[in-house]
Amino acid sequence: KNEVEQSPQNLTAQEGEFITINCSYSVGISALHWLQQHPGGGIVSLFMLSSGKKKHGRLIATINIQEKHSSLHITASHPRDSAVYICAVRLRTSGSRLTFGEGTQLTVNP
Amino acid sequence: NAGVMQNPRHLVRRRGQEARLRCSPMKGHSHVYWYRQLPEEGLKFMVYLQKENIIDESGMPKERFSAEFPKEGPSILRIQQVVRGDSAAYFCASSPGTASLNTEAFFGQGTRLTVV
Repeated sequence: KNEVEQSPQNLTAQEGEFITINCSYSVGISALHWLQQHPGGGIVSLFMLSSGKKKHGRLIATINIQEKHSSLHITASHPRDSAVYICAVRLRTSGSRLTFGEGTQLTVNP
Repeated sequence: NAGVMQNPRHLVRRRGQEARLRCSPMKGHSHVYWYRQLPEEGLKFMVYLQKENIIDESGMPKERFSAEFPKEGPSILRIQQVVRGDSAAYFCASSPGTASLNTEAFFGQGTRLTVV
């Protein structure tokens, strides 16, 4: 079993829909990151969380430390949001390196 | 600030050749991480380096792979005698140091290695 599990693996939405991607982890962490990867592209950091909630534009990320769960929400989705979204954690036992979920492929249709 | 710079962006090697992947961290960053993304798989940690030191190489294959981060110049991930299974995207990330565990993750654009 992976230490970081994401769901769903694939998600197709219509433009304008509200989107939620979930991430669960099984061990103690010091921080959780949400990353975005476009096809053939690099990896961009969207958020880093250790508690609570963060918002940037149409993106919102939340984390519940007790439940070991985080969600990434996209409001008013747009085709340019189509990408792979990756949850990554810094495990307390692994220092500063990141452990990644498998990613969620999001496709937003016009 | 130029960000994390990786080169080349794309690299094609024949089986048995050597591949050298370079990573220049962000200005002021002294720690470098290499991650590998195999086709249709998630990212996996390979190695964590500080200047002139390998801190954690627990994710490196035991043979043919090596990494260095010299006092001057970029970090190098070296793959000797490449095989088709080495075809992947290799990403580098940098950070200021372990004192800043809760900093943003800064990644390069990656090097796509294709072994033919």
